[in-house]
Amino acid sequence: AQTVTQSQPEMSVQEAETVTLSCTYDTSESDYYLFWYKQPPSRQMILVIRQEAYKQQNATENRFSVNFQKAAKSFSLKISDSQLGDAAMYFCAYRYRNAGGTSYGKLTFGQGTILTVHP
Amino acid sequence: GAGVSQSPRYKVAKRGQDVALRCDPISGHVSLFWYQQALGQGPEFLTYFQNEAQLDKSGLPSDRFFAERPEGSVSTLKIQRTQQEDSAVYLCASSPGHRDIGYTFGSGTRLTVV
Repeated sequence: AQTVTQSQPEMSVQEAETVTLSCTYDTSESDYYLFWYKQPPSRQMILVIRQEAYKQQNATENRFSVNFQKAAKSFSLKISDSQLGDAAMYFCAYRYRNAGGTSYGKLTFGQGTILTVHP
Repeated sequence: GAGVSQSPRYKVAKRGQDVALRCDPISGHVSLFWYQQALGQGPEFLTYFQNEAQLDKSGLPSDRFFAERPEGSVSTLKIQRTQQEDSAVYLCASSPGHRDIGYTFGSGTRLTVV
């Protein structure tokens, strides 16, 4: 079974600074997706960024980028130029790429990291 | 609709009461997932529908939990004889196809059992 671990229950950052959230995972599969989701108090999960395991290049979306280390099974999220609106709970998630069989594309989430942004 | 709609947004139930939680996915979305999110934790998979077929219910914690999607659109998660450990946010997500990774989540139902 796959597991996702976020070892930082809480992180804080000053506005305009950079912060990195950590995530490690365990899987015996070689082809999968990794995601970072943001969950504000409204509770709706919002996709921040995703990474395909077969791609060596790290994904980037504006101020958000990842450091994907496949051999180490590590997937960290870097937020540059932090903004007050970035404050939320962040979840790392895993999905087996082949959505057939018994996986059906279900996501396995980590425990989450609460990010506080100080003005 | 434009997004995934869940109702009610909040539900308080007395222990032993039955509850029904509704999920309206995006029109035409084939895949529908239910997740349970305990306070301060990450969501955990409950069950998966592909159209009206429930293909995976391995995450349902007990036989008190039942989900259906009879016409392949709206889904209902029913919890019988609620217990305090059922208190959680119940999230619904949908995607266009079973191989699609473009999930859209609803805002969830927060269930409190007293």
